[in-house]
Amino acid sequence: NAGVTQTPKFRVLKTGQSMTLLCAQDMNHEYMYWYRQDPGMGLRLIHYSVGEGTTAKGEVPDGYNVSRLKKQNFLLGLESAAPSQTSVYFCASSYQGLAGGLNFGPGTRLTVL
Amino acid sequence: AQTVTQSQPEMSVQEAETVTLSCTYDTSESDYYLFWYKQPPSRQMILVIRQEAYKQQNATENRFSVNFQKAAKSFSLKISDSQLGDAAMYFCAYRTYNFNKFYFGSGTKLNVKP
Repeated sequence: NAGVTQTPKFRVLKTGQSMTLLCAQDMNHEYMYWYRQDPGMGLRLIHYSVGEGTTAKGEVPDGYNVSRLKKQNFLLGLESAAPSQTSVYFCASSYQGLAGGLNFGPGTRLTVL
Repeated sequence: AQTVTQSQPEMSVQEAETVTLSCTYDTSESDYYLFWYKQPPSRQMILVIRQEAYKQQNATENRFSVNFQKAAKSFSLKISDSQLGDAAMYFCAYRTYNFNKFYFGSGTKLNVKP
């Protein structure tokens, strides 16, 4: 099992450009998440999904959109990148059962110039 | 929304010694889950230990154990016999009982001195 994978691992964008981060999981998990990690701020939830075809906003959703057309994939889009979106982005998944923890992808380092 | 606080931005421990990392949280729920995650320089997030709030017994995983004080809303991590490989960022996380929403603290950087 590959677990949770993320594409790409690194990316540099110019202000105003758009991009999509792809997350895939092969564990048949219902829940998927996108977090951003910034120094001194821990991980902050951007958007999450409780199942195929559903999405919901997290703590810091502005400037991002998501889609979950297939259960195993969760896409994070930036329509018009801003320097404030420079961060490390983590995708994660969890199962619905009790005490289910998060399984994380390896992260994507995004720099917006 | 629930908040998770890690008041120690950075700590150091001598190899083979014991260290305790602190975490407090705020919630109005009676049932929930708590986790500690480790993030080494590789950036990969690794689950260290978990605790169900309805269990009074503190969780242990080899050299890692927790001190869960539900009334005080405290969830500290104790690392015994510290090893160089324990050097990492450690994040405390709270998970709601329903809907699997996770909230993270700001992290504690642990340095291990040889």
